[in-house]
Amino acid sequence: NAGVTQTPKFRILKIGQSMTLQCTQDMNHNYMYWYRQDPGMGLKLIYYSVGAGITDKGEVPNGYNVSRSTTEDFPLRLELAAPSQTSVYFCASRRTSGSNEQFFGPGTRLTVL
Amino acid sequence: GESVGLHLPTLSVQEGDNSIINCAYSNSASDYFIWYKQESGKGPQFIIDIRSNMDKRQGQRVTVLLNKTVKHLSLQIAATQPGDSAVYFCAENSGIIQGAQKLVFGQGTRLTINP
Repeated sequence: NAGVTQTPKFRILKIGQSMTLQCTQDMNHNYMYWYRQDPGMGLKLIYYSVGAGITDKGEVPNGYNVSRSTTEDFPLRLELAAPSQTSVYFCASRRTSGSNEQFFGPGTRLTVL
Repeated sequence: GESVGLHLPTLSVQEGDNSIINCAYSNSASDYFIWYKQESGKGPQFIIDIRSNMDKRQGQRVTVLLNKTVKHLSLQIAATQPGDSAVYFCAENSGIIQGAQKLVFGQGTRLTINP
């Protein structure tokens, strides 16, 4: 099992550019999450999904979009990058029942200049 | 709204000593709490969780204590080792929507182990 994988590891964007952060898990987990982590802070929930075709907003969804066409993939889209979106982005997944544990990917460090 | 905070942003302990990391929460309706460990450059890693109807839970070298009266959570690490150096986050589950967790994370405490 590779667990949760994220690409790219690092990215620099110019203001107004768009990009997609990729997230894939091979554990057949239904629940998937996107978080952002600003320097010296805890994680904030951007979007989550309870299964293929079902997504919903978290605490800080503005400026982001997601889709979930398969169980494995949960990409995060930034349409018009802004400096306030400079952060480290983590994807996580969790199985349907039996555990509260979320498994996190290694993160994508995004800088918007 | 909900908030989860920590009393100390940094903690230094001697190798072999016990560490205690504290966390305050504000949402009395949270049904469980989780501690995560984050090593430099990595994603958070689950350590232990505790349900709101429990006062104490033990794992391997770790103990979590929950005091609902003062809305306080602590993580005790026994006989700390160099590999315990990391940032530790507490998180509370602020709700369940269609079975999905909505975790609210604290700021984190950086634990440094001195040789």
